[in-house]
Amino acid sequence: DAGVIQSPRHEVTEMGQEVTLRCKPISGHNSLFWYRQTMMRGLELLIYFNNNVPIDDSGMPEDRFSAKMPNASFSTLKIQPSEPRDSAVYFCASSLVRDSYNEQFFGPGTRLTVL
Amino acid sequence: KNEVEQSPQNLTAQEGEFITINCSYSVGISALHWLQQHPGGGIVSLFMLSSGKKKHGRLIATINIQEKHSSLHITASHPRDSAVYICAVRLSNFGNEKLTFGTGTRLTIIP
Repeated sequence: DAGVIQSPRHEVTEMGQEVTLRCKPISGHNSLFWYRQTMMRGLELLIYFNNNVPIDDSGMPEDRFSAKMPNASFSTLKIQPSEPRDSAVYFCASSLVRDSYNEQFFGPGTRLTVL
Repeated sequence: KNEVEQSPQNLTAQEGEFITINCSYSVGISALHWLQQHPGGGIVSLFMLSSGKKKHGRLIATINIQEKHSSLHITASHPRDSAVYICAVRLSNFGNEKLTFGTGTRLTIIP
């Protein structure tokens, strides 16, 4: 298995532009997580899906952020309009939730820089 | 106060030394994860614990549920162990897979 795939790996954009980050979870996994990592705040959960349904989006900072999971093999995180404070590394992770012991597998991350 | 506290924040040791990284949490949990993040940025899950102890190679993780404390030990440390080690907990709410993270411990092993 190729593991969790994220694209792009690096994104540099200007303030005000729309940014779309993409994630392909591990085949067969039923949960998908979007995280953001910054120097100031460390790792934070933005949103997670179970069976393609958003379960907890309490970490989504504001209306500029939106996430979708149209099917079990694809998810997007969109920022519109982007701001410099959105600069961070965004990780996607997936897991197979079937009991109390559910390991998460992380993608390589997308490093976003908003100028 | 953070729900998950790690200590130390930074640790530098000589190759071969025994390493201990600590994690304390203040909430009820269903599981605790130890993650490793290398300088390149990738995150790897090392252990997931809900009780007792787990061992993988030179790494050992323990958890004491009553004391709300976990430790990650590295025996015979090597420069390739240099990384940030992150503790994360999953709250005990049924069906909630959300992880809450510590701020990480940056480990540097000097040859």
